[in-house]
Amino acid sequence: GQQVMQIPQYQHVQEGEDFTTYCNSSTTLSNIQWYKQRPGGHPVFLIQLVKSGEVKKQKRLTFQFGEAKKNSSLHITATQTTDVGTYFCAGLVRSNYQLIWGAGTKLIIKP
Amino acid sequence: EAGVVQSPRYKIIEKKQPVAFWCNPISGHNTLYWYLQNLGQGPELLIRYENEEAVDDSQLPKDRFSAERLKGVDSTLKIQPAELGDSAVYLCASSSTGTGVYEQYFGPGTRLTVT
Repeated sequence: GQQVMQIPQYQHVQEGEDFTTYCNSSTTLSNIQWYKQRPGGHPVFLIQLVKSGEVKKQKRLTFQFGEAKKNSSLHITATQTTDVGTYFCAGLVRSNYQLIWGAGTKLIIKP
Repeated sequence: EAGVVQSPRYKIIEKKQPVAFWCNPISGHNTLYWYLQNLGQGPELLIRYENEEAVDDSQLPKDRFSAERLKGVDSTLKIQPAELGDSAVYLCASSSTGTGVYEQYFGPGTRLTVT
């Protein structure tokens, strides 16, 4: 079946270091969305990418959508404690409008 | 604007008992989703409604799970009978497809524990 693989599962960083999570789809996507889930919370929408090769920025967060519309990444520059949580990608499959979720990458700030 | 409302927030039941969850989406959102989320994993879609119609229920275990959205607004998800493996967080989300952006707004979820 259609899958979105997301890596890594966890990333431990020192505060101030960068963080990156990657998603790869088995099928071409109509768009890809990114969500953040704080510990004990629910997923919150961050952004949607639609166009091939699209890059969007939100302050320290940079989102990219691959040229083939099958992969995407989220990069956080100079992480802060407020960035802690799990970041999910979710790809929309055009044929059936199903949103396929990645397993998430948990960002952990080392004490 | 009120967000997605879910109740109850927590539920503990014994196996083989029935349980029901309720969701009221954001006003005007025609699409409603029920997800299941296990600890450390991403949300898994159970069912998606467009107004009153269930347009994707392929992942709903129909032998024990049922859902309804009778007037195209609020929705109920039921499990009967519950099994130990059903322990998870049940999330409801809604979206408005009219804008072309399929951003989903999630409720706080119901944490189900089956003992």
